[in-house]
Amino acid sequence: DAKTTQPNSMESNEEEPVHLPCNHSTISGTDYIHWYRQLPSQGPEYVIHGLTSNVNNRMASLAIAEDRKSSTLILHRATLRDAAVYYCILRAFNAGNNRKLIWGLGTSLAVNP
Amino acid sequence: DTGVSQNPRHKITKRGQNVTFRCDPISEHNRLYWYRQTLGQGPEFLTYFQNEAQLEKSRLLSDRFSAERPKGSFSTLEIQRTEQGDSAMYLCASSYRGQGLLSGANVLTFGAGSRLTVL
Repeated sequence: DAKTTQPNSMESNEEEPVHLPCNHSTISGTDYIHWYRQLPSQGPEYVIHGLTSNVNNRMASLAIAEDRKSSTLILHRATLRDAAVYYCILRAFNAGNNRKLIWGLGTSLAVNP
Repeated sequence: DTGVSQNPRHKITKRGQNVTFRCDPISEHNRLYWYRQTLGQGPEFLTYFQNEAQLEKSRLLSDRFSAERPKGSFSTLEIQRTEQGDSAMYLCASSYRGQGLLSGANVLTFGAGSRLTVL
């Protein structure tokens, strides 16, 4: 199963944009890129996912490199509530289920007021 | 729908005791997953159900662990003869098995977790 590499931690200031990188150099053509985040003392929360094209939703944007070997989660204006661990995960299109999702250590994002 | 509900949120027990956790998934979700998460680590897959059928168990799930999902609704995870190494957050998640192009968007909705401390 393809794995992802993320920085252990990042820091941002409130109301500034945050770019969270993820490397997935062994991604296959049918792998979706999923992002989840986990706030302290809570379960993970889905953020966004994509396959090839950049994606936007109310929470964030996902920029996917042309070769798909990396992606960037973009929080346009960080708030204190965005302080969390962000996980970048690959999910095979034909996996049929999520049992093989490999959760790494994620990136711990700190947001300064 | 209020999302995925897990009970109890916290459980402190003595080594050797049995504990049971309950998960109530989102009602229209046909898949249910159990994960375990220790401090500073990402979630680790334990087992999953499609409707009432338990389709896969991780090697992490020793004989002391058993999970059920009667009638394909709520699920329970029981740990017998608990050990200190079982101390962790037990997370439940549910999803809907999509078809075709939707299968890649099979996102998980997690509960808040049940934190187990074994003394």
